[in-house]
Amino acid sequence: GENVEQHPSTLSVQEGDSAVIKCTYSDSASNYFPWYKQELGKGPQLIIDIRSNVGEKKDQRIAVTLNKTAKHFSLHITETQPEDSAVYFCAAPSNSGYALNFGKGTSLLVTP
Amino acid sequence: SQTIHQWPATLVQPVGSPLSLECTVEGTSNPNLYWYRQAAGRGLQLLFYSVGIGQISSEVPQNLSASRPQDRQFILSSKKLLLSDSGFYLCAWSVGQAIGDEQFFGPGTRLTVL
Repeated sequence: GENVEQHPSTLSVQEGDSAVIKCTYSDSASNYFPWYKQELGKGPQLIIDIRSNVGEKKDQRIAVTLNKTAKHFSLHITETQPEDSAVYFCAAPSNSGYALNFGKGTSLLVTP
Repeated sequence: SQTIHQWPATLVQPVGSPLSLECTVEGTSNPNLYWYRQAAGRGLQLLFYSVGIGQISSEVPQNLSASRPQDRQFILSSKKLLLSDSGFYLCAWSVGQAIGDEQFFGPGTRLTVL
């Protein structure tokens, strides 16, 4: 199935700095790449996604970039705030076409 | 609006005991349903998904099974729990015929097998 690698596993930044999380995938046919945010003790929630017909998508302080040639996509958070602290997961479609394969997650800590 | 429920929220079970976790979705019809497990410090592992009543696909061989007796009900079961079954179990739903739609996750069940 689709292999999704995510780096780094942990990331600590100071409030106001930017944070970047990167993922790579193996199936060149993949065409949908969501990012989820999981707060402690809760289920993940979608924060942004990108499809293969665009290279970048922005939503306020969050952006995602996609490089289909290199088969990697990245999450960028600018002007980080303490409430951005959470675990972030990238994902890509599995071979089944219905399910997602998730990366192992990045624990982001934003310190005041 | 749509909501997804999971219960129980937490569960402590002895090794060898049976398991039944329930997930129900409200406010939508014919959703795709998913069970994920999240072990401590690890990512989300897809266990099962279902595109309709009685239709279950398993992603990994394991000690668990799933059933979908009704359109918006998804059950995760085991006849005999193992220590390695401990983890955070998440149910999710989506709509659509193929991937590309948001998956909505439930609040999860934290299972500890002793």
